[in-house]
Amino acid sequence: DGGITQSPKYLFRKEGQNVTLSCEQNLNHDAMYWYRQDPGQGLRLIYYSQIVNDFQKGDIAEGYSVSREKKESFPLTVTSAQKNPTAFYLCASSIVTEGTEAFFGQGTRLTVV
Amino acid sequence: KQEVTQIPAALSVPEGENLVLNCSFTDSAIYNLQWFRQDPGKGLTSLLLIQSSQREQTSGRLNASLDKSSGRSTLYIAASQPGDSATYLCAADYGGSQGNLIFGKGTKLSVKP
Repeated sequence: DGGITQSPKYLFRKEGQNVTLSCEQNLNHDAMYWYRQDPGQGLRLIYYSQIVNDFQKGDIAEGYSVSREKKESFPLTVTSAQKNPTAFYLCASSIVTEGTEAFFGQGTRLTVV
Repeated sequence: KQEVTQIPAALSVPEGENLVLNCSFTDSAIYNLQWFRQDPGKGLTSLLLIQSSQREQTSGRLNASLDKSSGRSTLYIAASQPGDSATYLCAADYGGSQGNLIFGKGTKLSVKP
């Protein structure tokens, strides 16, 4: 089945620890995105990538890092510099960055313990 | 600033009722507008995509309309069912260098049996 796979579904992070969230797609999409969702707020863009080996900061990139070494994969690292990382993280992809339908994964819930 | 607003934040209706969810956007220069459904703890499922040149799109019991001049979109759900209970999100695609969807905060729909 074609789609976007995020893993893990739940992730726990200790203070000062870096963690990496996985996002894989087999839709042959060029563009991939990471969003953060907090209760009572809309989705906010963290990073996006239009092509392999290139990515751009979104509205709330501080404390996060990404890589795009393969078209299918766009992992997100939540670093210790992110002071409030507890949230629901969503990965998405689309054929191009504008004018086409975006598809989302099932999300990763990150909790600081 | 490009903003998307959804009103009401929550809606409760009896089963079988027809209903309308509203979405407004401040900048009419959109490429498209997309409606999503989100179940608790899950990712986003794309429902309908309306291109800027279109007035409406239909899928089963769902009909979405777009009026760029007034900055509004509506999602019409006919003969609502308990299984329609979810949060409905709209997102405006402005493309360009942002490569970004601007999301509303959603309308939480509850359909009572």
